[in-house]
Amino acid sequence: DIQMTQSPSSLSASVGDRVTITCRTSQSISSSLNWYQQRQGKAPEVLIYAASSVQSGVPSRFSGSGSGTDFSLTISSLQPEDFGTYYCQQSYSSPFTFGPGTKVDIK
Amino acid sequence: QVQLQQWGAGLLKPSETLSLTCAVFGGSFSGFYWSWIRQPPGKGLEWIGEISHTGSTNYNPSLKSRVTISIDTSKNQFSMKLSSVTAADTAVYYCARVADLRYVWGTYRYFDYWGQGTLVPVSS
Repeated sequence: DIQMTQSPSSLSASVGDRVTITCRTSQSISSSLNWYQQRQGKAPEVLIYAASSVQSGVPSRFSGSGSGTDFSLTISSLQPEDFGTYYCQQSYSSPFTFGPGTKVDIK
Repeated sequence: QVQLQQWGAGLLKPSETLSLTCAVFGGSFSGFYWSWIRQPPGKGLEWIGEISHTGSTNYNPSLKSRVTISIDTSKNQFSMKLSSVTAADTAVYYCARVADLRYVWGTYRYFDYWGQGTLVPVSS
Protein backbone atom coordinates (compact mmCIF):
# COMPACT_ATOMS: atom_id res chain seq x y z
CA ASP A 1 0.00 0.00 0.00
CA ILE A 2 1.08 3.59 -0.61
CA GLN A 3 1.56 5.36 2.72
CA MET A 4 0.51 8.98 3.13
CA THR A 5 1.77 11.57 5.57
CA GLN A 6 0.52 15.11 6.12
CA SER A 7 1.94 18.11 7.92
CA PRO A 8 1.12 19.83 10.07
CA SER A 9 -1.39 17.62 11.88
CA SER A 10 -3.19 20.74 13.03
CA LEU A 11 -2.94 24.49 12.68
CA SER A 12 -4.65 27.62 13.89
CA ALA A 13 -4.68 30.66 11.65
CA SER A 14 -6.41 34.01 11.33
CA VAL A 15 -8.89 35.08 8.68
CA GLY A 16 -6.93 36.36 5.71
CA ASP A 17 -3.85 34.25 6.40
CA ARG A 18 -2.19 32.17 3.70
CA VAL A 19 -2.23 28.52 4.75
CA THR A 20 -0.27 25.64 3.25
CA ILE A 21 -0.70 21.94 4.02
CA THR A 22 1.73 19.37 2.70
CA CYS A 23 1.26 15.72 1.80
CA ARG A 24 3.97 13.18 1.11
CA THR A 25 3.58 9.71 -0.37
CA SER A 26 5.76 6.65 0.18
CA GLN A 27 6.31 6.22 -3.55
CA SER A 28 5.89 8.30 -6.67
CA ILE A 29 2.26 8.73 -7.73
CA SER A 30 2.73 11.16 -10.61
CA SER A 31 -0.14 13.67 -10.23
CA SER A 32 -2.76 11.23 -8.88
CA LEU A 33 -3.38 13.20 -5.70
CA ASN A 34 -6.66 14.64 -4.46
CA TRP A 35 -7.56 16.97 -1.59
CA TYR A 36 -10.79 16.94 0.45
CA GLN A 37 -12.26 19.18 3.14
CA GLN A 38 -14.39 17.62 5.86
CA ARG A 39 -16.45 19.72 8.22
CA GLN A 40 -17.57 18.28 11.54
CA GLY A 41 -20.30 15.68 11.09
CA LYS A 42 -20.32 15.99 7.31
CA ALA A 43 -19.04 13.94 4.41
CA PRO A 44 -15.77 15.02 2.81
CA GLU A 45 -15.93 17.31 -0.23
CA VAL A 46 -13.36 17.30 -3.00
CA LEU A 47 -11.41 20.52 -3.48
CA ILE A 48 -8.55 19.56 -5.78
CA TYR A 49 -8.06 16.57 -8.07
CA ALA A 50 -5.09 15.49 -10.17
CA ALA A 51 -2.83 17.49 -7.83
CA SER A 52 -3.72 20.92 -9.19
CA SER A 53 -7.16 20.93 -10.82
CA VAL A 54 -9.79 22.83 -8.85
CA GLN A 55 -13.15 21.06 -8.64
CA SER A 56 -16.08 22.97 -10.10
CA GLY A 57 -17.70 25.23 -7.51
CA VAL A 58 -14.67 25.39 -5.24
CA PRO A 59 -13.48 28.94 -4.43
CA SER A 60 -10.40 30.12 -6.31
CA ARG A 61 -8.52 30.71 -3.04
CA PHE A 62 -7.85 26.95 -2.99
CA SER A 63 -4.95 25.69 -5.07
CA GLY A 64 -2.85 22.55 -5.27
CA SER A 65 0.60 21.76 -6.54
CA GLY A 66 3.19 19.00 -6.67
CA SER A 67 3.97 15.74 -8.38
CA GLY A 68 5.86 12.57 -7.62
CA THR A 69 5.89 12.26 -3.84
CA ASP A 70 5.47 15.82 -2.55
CA PHE A 71 2.27 17.81 -2.76
CA SER A 72 0.73 20.87 -1.18
CA LEU A 73 -2.65 22.50 -0.72
CA THR A 74 -2.73 26.28 -0.32
CA ILE A 75 -5.55 28.51 0.86
CA SER A 76 -4.53 31.98 -0.28
CA SER A 77 -6.74 33.91 2.13
CA LEU A 78 -8.32 31.87 4.91
CA GLN A 79 -12.05 32.41 5.41
CA PRO A 80 -14.20 31.48 8.44
CA GLU A 81 -15.93 28.71 6.49
CA ASP A 82 -12.59 27.01 5.79
CA PHE A 83 -12.40 25.38 9.23
CA GLY A 84 -12.40 21.60 9.23
CA THR A 85 -10.07 18.74 8.49
CA TYR A 86 -8.24 18.42 5.19
CA TYR A 87 -7.26 15.04 3.74
CA CYS A 88 -5.05 14.12 0.82
CA GLN A 89 -5.79 10.90 -1.08
CA GLN A 90 -3.88 9.00 -3.73
CA SER A 91 -5.64 7.38 -6.68
CA TYR A 92 -2.48 6.04 -8.34
CA SER A 93 -2.88 2.48 -7.19
CA SER A 94 -5.28 0.32 -5.24
CA PRO A 95 -5.92 0.30 -2.36
CA PHE A 96 -6.65 4.01 -2.52
CA THR A 97 -5.30 5.58 0.63
CA PHE A 98 -5.88 8.80 2.53
CA GLY A 99 -3.55 10.93 4.58
CA PRO A 100 -4.14 11.20 8.35
CA GLY A 101 -5.63 14.68 8.02
CA THR A 102 -4.79 18.26 8.96
CA LYS A 103 -7.20 20.00 11.30
CA VAL A 104 -7.59 23.73 10.58
CA ASP A 105 -8.96 26.02 13.27
CA ILE A 106 -9.79 29.65 12.81
CA LYS A 107 -8.23 31.93 15.43
CA GLN B 1 -27.58 17.34 -9.45
CA VAL B 2 -26.26 13.98 -8.33
CA GLN B 3 -27.37 12.83 -4.87
CA LEU B 4 -26.42 9.68 -2.98
CA GLN B 5 -28.74 8.50 -0.23
CA GLN B 6 -27.66 5.63 1.96
CA TRP B 7 -29.29 3.49 4.62
CA GLY B 8 -28.70 0.34 6.63
CA ALA B 9 -28.93 -1.37 9.96
CA GLY B 10 -27.75 0.49 13.04
CA LEU B 11 -26.30 -1.15 16.11
CA LEU B 12 -24.71 -4.52 15.48
CA LYS B 13 -23.32 -7.21 17.76
CA PRO B 14 -19.90 -8.79 17.20
CA SER B 15 -19.93 -11.53 14.55
CA GLU B 16 -23.00 -10.10 12.78
CA THR B 17 -23.04 -8.84 9.20
CA LEU B 18 -23.13 -5.14 8.37
CA SER B 19 -25.38 -4.32 5.44
CA LEU B 20 -25.69 -0.92 3.73
CA THR B 21 -27.32 0.30 0.53
CA CYS B 22 -26.76 3.50 -1.45
CA ALA B 23 -29.22 4.90 -3.98
CA VAL B 24 -28.13 7.31 -6.70
CA PHE B 25 -30.41 10.09 -7.89
CA GLY B 26 -29.67 12.33 -10.85
CA GLY B 27 -26.86 11.98 -13.33
CA SER B 28 -25.80 8.79 -15.03
CA PHE B 29 -25.45 5.53 -13.10
CA SER B 30 -23.70 3.57 -15.80
CA GLY B 31 -20.19 4.46 -16.79
CA PHE B 32 -19.04 5.05 -13.23
CA TYR B 33 -17.41 3.16 -10.41
CA TRP B 34 -19.12 3.36 -7.00
CA SER B 35 -17.24 3.12 -3.72
CA TRP B 36 -17.60 2.57 -0.01
CA ILE B 37 -15.37 4.44 2.45
CA ARG B 38 -15.41 4.37 6.24
CA GLN B 39 -14.25 6.56 9.11
CA PRO B 40 -13.94 5.33 12.71
CA PRO B 41 -15.02 7.95 15.24
CA GLY B 42 -12.37 10.66 15.53
CA LYS B 43 -10.11 8.97 12.99
CA GLY B 44 -9.21 9.13 9.32
CA LEU B 45 -10.74 7.72 6.16
CA GLU B 46 -10.32 4.17 4.86
CA TRP B 47 -11.32 3.05 1.37
CA ILE B 48 -13.24 -0.22 1.47
CA GLY B 49 -13.82 -1.06 -2.15
CA GLU B 50 -15.59 -0.22 -5.39
CA ILE B 51 -17.84 -1.66 -8.06
CA SER B 52 -18.41 -0.72 -11.68
CA HIS B 53 -21.81 -0.52 -13.32
CA THR B 54 -21.01 -3.85 -14.96
CA GLY B 55 -20.35 -5.48 -11.59
CA SER B 56 -16.55 -5.53 -11.65
CA THR B 57 -15.23 -5.17 -8.08
CA ASN B 58 -12.02 -4.04 -6.43
CA TYR B 59 -11.53 -4.42 -2.68
CA ASN B 60 -9.07 -3.20 -0.07
CA PRO B 61 -6.97 -6.29 0.75
CA SER B 62 -7.31 -5.48 4.45
CA LEU B 63 -11.06 -6.20 4.23
CA LYS B 64 -11.32 -8.38 1.14
CA SER B 65 -12.05 -11.61 3.00
CA ARG B 66 -15.11 -10.09 4.71
CA VAL B 67 -16.58 -7.57 2.26
CA THR B 68 -18.94 -7.97 -0.70
CA ILE B 69 -20.10 -5.06 -2.85
CA SER B 70 -22.97 -5.60 -5.27
CA ILE B 71 -24.96 -3.47 -7.70
CA ASP B 72 -28.55 -3.27 -8.94
CA THR B 73 -28.58 -1.17 -12.09
CA SER B 74 -32.37 -1.47 -12.42
CA LYS B 75 -32.73 0.53 -9.20
CA ASN B 76 -29.59 2.70 -9.48
CA GLN B 77 -28.40 1.22 -6.20
CA PHE B 78 -25.31 -0.47 -4.87
CA SER B 79 -24.77 -2.26 -1.59
CA MET B 80 -22.08 -3.46 0.77
CA LYS B 81 -21.97 -6.35 3.21
CA LEU B 82 -19.22 -6.74 5.80
CA SER B 83 -19.27 -10.02 7.67
CA SER B 84 -18.06 -11.03 11.12
CA VAL B 85 -17.91 -7.48 12.44
CA THR B 86 -16.02 -6.55 15.59
CA ALA B 87 -15.78 -3.34 17.61
CA ALA B 88 -12.96 -2.29 15.27
CA ASP B 89 -15.55 -2.00 12.48
CA THR B 90 -17.42 0.74 14.35
CA ALA B 91 -17.36 3.67 11.95
CA VAL B 92 -19.30 6.10 9.84
CA TYR B 93 -19.70 4.44 6.46
CA TYR B 94 -19.95 6.55 3.30
CA CYS B 95 -20.90 5.68 -0.24
CA ALA B 96 -19.33 7.75 -3.00
CA ARG B 97 -19.14 8.11 -6.76
CA VAL B 98 -15.76 7.75 -8.43
CA ALA B 99 -15.09 10.42 -11.04
CA ASP B 100 -12.83 9.00 -13.72
CA LEU B 101 -11.10 11.48 -16.03
CA ARG B 102 -9.15 10.00 -18.92
CA TYR B 103 -6.59 12.06 -20.80
CA VAL B 104 -3.92 11.10 -23.30
CA TRP B 105 -1.31 11.61 -20.58
CA GLY B 106 -3.10 9.76 -17.79
CA THR B 107 -6.22 8.79 -15.91
CA TYR B 108 -7.33 10.60 -12.76
CA ARG B 109 -9.88 9.32 -10.27
CA TYR B 110 -11.45 10.96 -7.26
CA PHE B 111 -14.59 10.81 -5.13
CA ASP B 112 -16.84 13.61 -6.36
CA TYR B 113 -20.20 12.86 -4.74
CA TRP B 114 -20.74 11.35 -1.30
CA GLY B 115 -23.64 9.97 0.68
CA GLN B 116 -24.59 11.50 4.00
CA GLY B 117 -22.84 8.80 6.02
CA THR B 118 -24.23 6.10 8.31
CA LEU B 119 -22.86 5.48 11.79
CA VAL B 120 -22.66 1.77 12.50
CA PRO B 121 -21.74 0.95 16.10
CA VAL B 122 -20.65 -2.59 16.92
CA SER B 123 -21.06 -3.53 20.56
CA SER B 124 -22.10 -6.51 22.61
